[in-house]
Amino acid sequence: DPKIIQKPKYLVAVTGSEKILICEQYLGHNAMYWYRQSAKKPLEFMFSYSYQKLMDNQTASSRFQPQSSKKNHLDLQITALKPDDSATYFCASSQGGAAETLYFGSGTRLTVL
Amino acid sequence: QQQVRQSPQSLTVWEGETAILNCSYENSAFDYFPWYQQFPGEGPALLISILSVSDKKEDGRFTIFFNKREKKLSLHIADSQPGDSATYFCAAQGYGSSGNKLIFGIGTLLSVKP
Repeated sequence: DPKIIQKPKYLVAVTGSEKILICEQYLGHNAMYWYRQSAKKPLEFMFSYSYQKLMDNQTASSRFQPQSSKKNHLDLQITALKPDDSATYFCASSQGGAAETLYFGSGTRLTVL
Repeated sequence: QQQVRQSPQSLTVWEGETAILNCSYENSAFDYFPWYQQFPGEGPALLISILSVSDKKEDGRFTIFFNKREKKLSLHIADSQPGDSATYFCAAQGYGSSGNKLIFGIGTLLSVKP
């Protein structure tokens, strides 16, 4: 059974719309993250949360807003979508210390038309 | 500016050969270097990792060689199997980095031909 659930797996949106990407982890981890994978680019760190608090934000745009309603949930709201936002978004989790394994979900592939 | 560089971007080897994937970095504060393996349609998964206090780490057919002075490391996959065909990412994390903010390279797409 997948320990990190991301929904939906595929998402198509129109420019200017708003979408929410869902992530739940069942590993009992304290830290959760969002990464973005675009074509021809490295996997890019976006946010990290620990005990539901924002620890690090490397996303320049305020259009990307993480939302943590529970310790094991970290959703990603994206507003005013642009075609450049098209990418696969990965949720990950870890115990929260340094040099620890990140466990990734299978991703949400977002296409903005 | 790319902090973690990988080469080659793609690599094809025959079954049984040793595949060598290269990685270099710029930030001297990096001290933890995991390699992640990703199959199509899946998220990356940790394969093997090394701390900067070591110069070599082995796990079965997978070996990391680390050169701190030159800021380079490489992943050697011995006796490559078709099932090893995947994208391999080198990543780095700095000492004292909050949480687990890993900086990834662009990846090497490995194809192992039977």
